[in-house]
Formats: sequence, C-alpha cells, structure tokens
Amino acid sequence: DGGITQSPKYLFRKEGQNVTLSCEQNLNHDAMYWYRQDPGQGLRLIYYSQIVNDFQKGDIAEGYSVSREKKESFPLTVTSAQKNPTAFYLCASSNRDLDNEQFFGPGTRLTVL
Amino acid sequence: AQTVTQSQPEMSVQEAETVTLSCTYDTSESNYYLFWYKQPPSRQMILVIRQEAYKQQNATENRFSVNFQKAAKSFSLKISDSQLGDTAMYFCAFMKQYAGNMLTFGGGTRLMVKP
Repeated sequence: DGGITQSPKYLFRKEGQNVTLSCEQNLNHDAMYWYRQDPGQGLRLIYYSQIVNDFQKGDIAEGYSVSREKKESFPLTVTSAQKNPTAFYLCASSNRDLDNEQFFGPGTRLTVL
Repeated sequence: AQTVTQSQPEMSVQEAETVTLSCTYDTSESNYYLFWYKQPPSRQMILVIRQEAYKQQNATENRFSVNFQKAAKSFSLKISDSQLGDTAMYFCAFMKQYAGNMLTFGGGTRLMVKP
C-alpha cells in the first residue's frame, strides 16, 4: 500500500533534549512538508522540501531542523532551542509536478516533560 | 500572502440534518485551488473535496458539496444527511497555482454530529 508513515505515534522527551521525528513515504512524491498543530488550532508550516538535498523554512522554522538525503525520507529534529515543543506534528507529501493535494501521515504527538 | 478564515470555531448538527461550514480567503491570485480537509479524532487528515478556481461548477463528492463564490472569495462546505462519522475538525485550505503545492490553512471548525 502506498502512503506516508510517521513514527513514533507518541514521543516523550525531557526538556533540553533534541528529538527526531521520522517521516517516510512510498508515493514517489518529490515534495514533502512538516506541520505543527497545537490544540484547537490549524496547521502551521515548519519546513518543506521540493526536491532531494534541498529544503526551505516555513512560517515557524525556529528551533527545528530537517534533512532530505533521500526522496522517501524527511526527518524533523526538534532542538532544545524550540521554546514550546509539545505539539502534534504532521508530515505530508505531494507530486510537485502537478497542482495536486497534499497527502498526510498519521502524525506524531510529542510531549516534552 | 494569502489568508484563510474560518469564522465558526465550533458547530453542531443533528444526525441526518444538513450543515454548512464557512470559509473565506484573501488573495490577489487569479488561478488557485481550494480544499476542505477533515481531521477526525484519529487526527488523520483526509481530503474531503477540492475546487479549481477556474471552474464555475461547484464540486460535489457524495454528501459533501461546496458553494464557491469567487468574487466574494467564499468557499463553504455543505454536508448533507450528516452522520456520526462526520464528527471531526474541518480545515479549509488554499493553494496557489504553480507554487509547489503549498497550502495555507484556516484555523478549523470543530463539527459535532449528535445522535
């Protein structure tokens, strides 16, 4: 089955630790995206990548970092510089050659204790 | 920059009735796409319906339809014969044409379908 996987579903970390969230897709999509969702709110774009080895900051990139070494993978690192990292994180992908919708993974709930 | 506004934070509807969720957007673009996404309690984002701005005909997907008013920059979602499984957060989203499929989301409307 084609789709997007995110792991883990729930993640707990101590304050001050970096943590990496995984996102993998087998849809052969070039573009991938990371969003943050806070309770009762919409999605805010953290980073996006239109092609391997290239990525751009979104609206709230401070305290986050990404890499895009493979087409299938777009991991997000939440660093200790992120002041309020507890949130729900969604990864998405799309076929950038078409004006097409984004497909979403199931999300990771990060709680920093 | 585009903005998307959903003015109804929460709504409720009785099962089998019809409900309309509102969305307005602001853009200077002529060619774009609009979407409604559903996020049920599982939190998986699911595409409900898509509208191309160049199409005058309103999109329909089974019980879901939109009322697209381009001049008014309005894009409402109508859910007919509401079902308990329609209980979810609904997000309106805007995509500019030829812009890497970047989405701008509204703040969402929480819909509760009551038995």
